[in-house]
Amino acid sequence: AQSVAQPEDQVNVAEGNPLTVKCTYSVSGNPYLFWYVQYPNRGLQFLLKYITGDNLVKGSYGFEAEFNKSQTSFHLKKPSALVSDSALYFCAVRDGDNFNKFYFGSGTKLNVKP
Amino acid sequence: NAGVTQTPKFQVLKTGQSMTLQCAQDMNHEYMSWYRQDPGMGLRLIHYSVGAGITDQGEVPNGYNVSRSTTEDFPLRLLSAAPSQTSVYFCASSYSARGGQYFGPGTRLTVT
Repeated sequence: AQSVAQPEDQVNVAEGNPLTVKCTYSVSGNPYLFWYVQYPNRGLQFLLKYITGDNLVKGSYGFEAEFNKSQTSFHLKKPSALVSDSALYFCAVRDGDNFNKFYFGSGTKLNVKP
Repeated sequence: NAGVTQTPKFQVLKTGQSMTLQCAQDMNHEYMSWYRQDPGMGLRLIHYSVGAGITDQGEVPNGYNVSRSTTEDFPLRLLSAAPSQTSVYFCASSYSARGGQYFGPGTRLTVT
């Protein structure tokens, strides 16, 4: 079965500090992984994806994610957090058997304090 | 481009009523999908479509129907609403299932 886990419901970080939002996955075959961000009362916005290639993927708004195959992880990172980064973040994985299905994690609320 | 649009934004139904949530996109995307978002559970795929005339079930399809007669539109029908269908519903689209998806603003549905 395919699944995604986001072990932290909430992450708190001070503005200017680096941030990490964690994601682990379980999927058959090669993983296709995604990060999305959701601001209050809005739909999700695509941040970045990993399909193949470099383990460090760069995305929108200065975010990047590190793919680690041995640890089955795909953590979202940013070197210097902004207050405006405060939002709900979702990790998603494409089904390894049915390429048209996606599974989302439960979300991590990021709070960046001034 | 309007992107992905959804109507209505809010809806209250009584148990047993039926309704259709509308979704449209103007990006000529082949792949479209419907998700429901419930607290602590992330998003769960209800149905998806890979092109006009082609639809399939996702993770939680029971109680919902879809059709795709045009590339632009992908409506979601609730046949007989139940309180368990109280949720926020998102429609999404992408050029293909390889790409990141564009999400609509959502429909908040309450079933009493």
